[in-house]
Amino acid sequence: QKEVEQNSGPLSVPEGAIASLNCTYSDRGSQSFFWYRQYSGKSPELIMFIYSNGDKEDGRFTAQLNKASQYVSLLIRDSQPSDSATYLCAVKGNQGGKLIFGQGTELSVKP
Amino acid sequence: DTEVTQTPKHLVMGMTNKKSLKCEQHMGHRAMYWYKQKAKKPPELMFVYSYEKLSINESVPSRFSPECPNSSLLNLHLHALQPEDSALYLCASSQVGGGWEQYFGPGTRLTVT
Repeated sequence: QKEVEQNSGPLSVPEGAIASLNCTYSDRGSQSFFWYRQYSGKSPELIMFIYSNGDKEDGRFTAQLNKASQYVSLLIRDSQPSDSATYLCAVKGNQGGKLIFGQGTELSVKP
Repeated sequence: DTEVTQTPKHLVMGMTNKKSLKCEQHMGHRAMYWYKQKAKKPPELMFVYSYEKLSINESVPSRFSPECPNSSLLNLHLHALQPEDSALYLCASSQVGGGWEQYFGPGTRLTVT
């Protein structure tokens, strides 16, 4: 069983719609959760992190965490073609700063 | 502007060469990381330094040798690499403790011929 699972996609949404990206994790003791955006040929960029159950909003991005269900999601409101990228979910492991990454979800926003 | 820088941006090396990748961070972080990323795959952790000491080595072959000269600098020395080592090599840094949020540099694209 993979420790962090994401739908690989591609996920295609029309411009202006809400994109919903989902991630589940297996370690119930995990405390820190991250979303990275990676454009093709570029390095991952940290766009959201969340530690507590509930929602965290930053501009058009909302991260949602449900520790009981071991589920973290990223919502992108008013999606733009510039949001087209691969989104990586990462969970902090129990060894120092080690992150466990999901396989990534490719998002395509169509004009 | 990224506060984690990496040099060089691109590197082509033969299997008998010795080269080094360099990373510098200006964020005051005390943990630094090396990752390897292949196309269409997530980053794969190689090494972690915490307070300039190697804290995690993910069973990386000895042809990769990390070095942390001070809290801002991280090097990866390469020797006798194989073509399958061609990848994007990423450096990251974070605070030690708290959320451990990691910030990545732009990466070095390595091709081994």
